[in-house]
Amino acid sequence: SQKIEQNSEALNIQEGKTATLTCNYTNYSPAYLQWYRQDPGRGPVFLLLIRENEKEKRKERLKVTFDTTLKQSLFHITASQPADSATYLCALDSLGSSASKIIFGSGTRLSIRP
Amino acid sequence: DGGITQSPKYLFRKEGQNVTLSCEQNLNHDAMYWYRQDPGQGLRLIYYSQIVNDFQKGDIAEGYSVSREKKESFPLTVTSAQKNPTAFYLCASRRQGAKEAFFGQGTRLTVV
Repeated sequence: SQKIEQNSEALNIQEGKTATLTCNYTNYSPAYLQWYRQDPGRGPVFLLLIRENEKEKRKERLKVTFDTTLKQSLFHITASQPADSATYLCALDSLGSSASKIIFGSGTRLSIRP
Repeated sequence: DGGITQSPKYLFRKEGQNVTLSCEQNLNHDAMYWYRQDPGQGLRLIYYSQIVNDFQKGDIAEGYSVSREKKESFPLTVTSAQKNPTAFYLCASRRQGAKEAFFGQGTRLTVV
């Protein structure tokens, strides 16, 4: 069956450290993968997209990698801050019967302690 | 301001009643999506629509219905057939050819 899984339900790290979140998928062949941030009670907000031919993508303190052999994407936040505390979701496109649908992982709740 | 608007933010209904959640976007996006989120969980796809007057079932469509009569509107009806309707509902839209989806602020539905 098709699955997209984020291995850690919750991650708690010290401010200043690097947070690393994992997204694994099964029986999909995505051309790209996306990461979103969701704050409590709000809708997700797009952060980064990485394509299958890109090994790594950076945006400020964020870094995403994509390994199509391992079927895995890693999301890193360097020099983490308490304001980075949120739930992070990975997502990919899957072709439906006549249109593309966006499938999300279960999310990882990240807490950065001062 | 362009954006995607869900209303109301909070909604309470009695068991057995149908309820319709509103989703409107003025971004001129073609595709629209409805997701359900339960506490501590990810987003599960209910219905999606690529163009007006056409929509497809997602992974958990049972007990829900939608319509897409206008490009900017994609209302979701939670029917009495939905066994556990209490949840946080999110609507999203996306421009044709784009990858990034834009979300509304969500509607928290509580059925008592």
